[in-house]
Amino acid sequence: QKEVEQDPGPLSVPEGAIVSLNCTYSNSAFQYFMWYRQYSRKGPELLMYTYSSGNKEDGRFTAQVDKSSKYISLFIRDSQPSDSATYLCAMTTPGGATNKLIFGTGTLLAVQP
Amino acid sequence: ETGVTQTPRHLVMGMTNKKSLKCEQHLGHNAMYWYKQSAKKPLELMFVYNFKEQTENNSVPSRFSPECPNSSHLFLHLHTLQPEDSALYLCASSPGLAIEQYFGPGTRLTVT
Repeated sequence: QKEVEQDPGPLSVPEGAIVSLNCTYSNSAFQYFMWYRQYSRKGPELLMYTYSSGNKEDGRFTAQVDKSSKYISLFIRDSQPSDSATYLCAMTTPGGATNKLIFGTGTLLAVQP
Repeated sequence: ETGVTQTPRHLVMGMTNKKSLKCEQHLGHNAMYWYKQSAKKPLELMFVYNFKEQTENNSVPSRFSPECPNSSHLFLHLHTLQPEDSALYLCASSPGLAIEQYFGPGTRLTVT
């Protein structure tokens, strides 16, 4: 079983739709949960991260963590064509010699104008 | 230059060649990372350097040899690679071993 599972998509939605992107994980020790956005031919950029359970909102983006279900989500409201990218979830445990991030495979999102 | 830069952006090499990838960060960070990104696979951490000292080698084959001469520069020396090593190689940096890692645009490597 992979440590982090993410549906690769592609996910195609019309402009203005609410998008839900999800990851599941198996390691209950994970405490930090991150979402990265990667445009074609670019490196990933950190969108937001949450610590432990709960929600975090930043503009049109909301990150949600449900540790009891080992399930994290990223919601995008009023999606725009510029949101078309691959979205990667990542997670890690705090402390240790390195903060080793464990990534999902990424979900390819296409927002149609 | 701002952020994290990587050169070259594209590289085609034969299995007997020797080449190097270069990464430079302009963010004042102390930790630098090499990742491998293959199609339909998660990013794989290869190496971590913190204050120029290697703190992680994620069971990477010896045909990949990292070098970190200072906190701003990171190299990945390549020799006798295999076709399955073809991938996007990403460099990242962070302020200490923080979870907020900033990535460069990557080097697209093709081994023929």
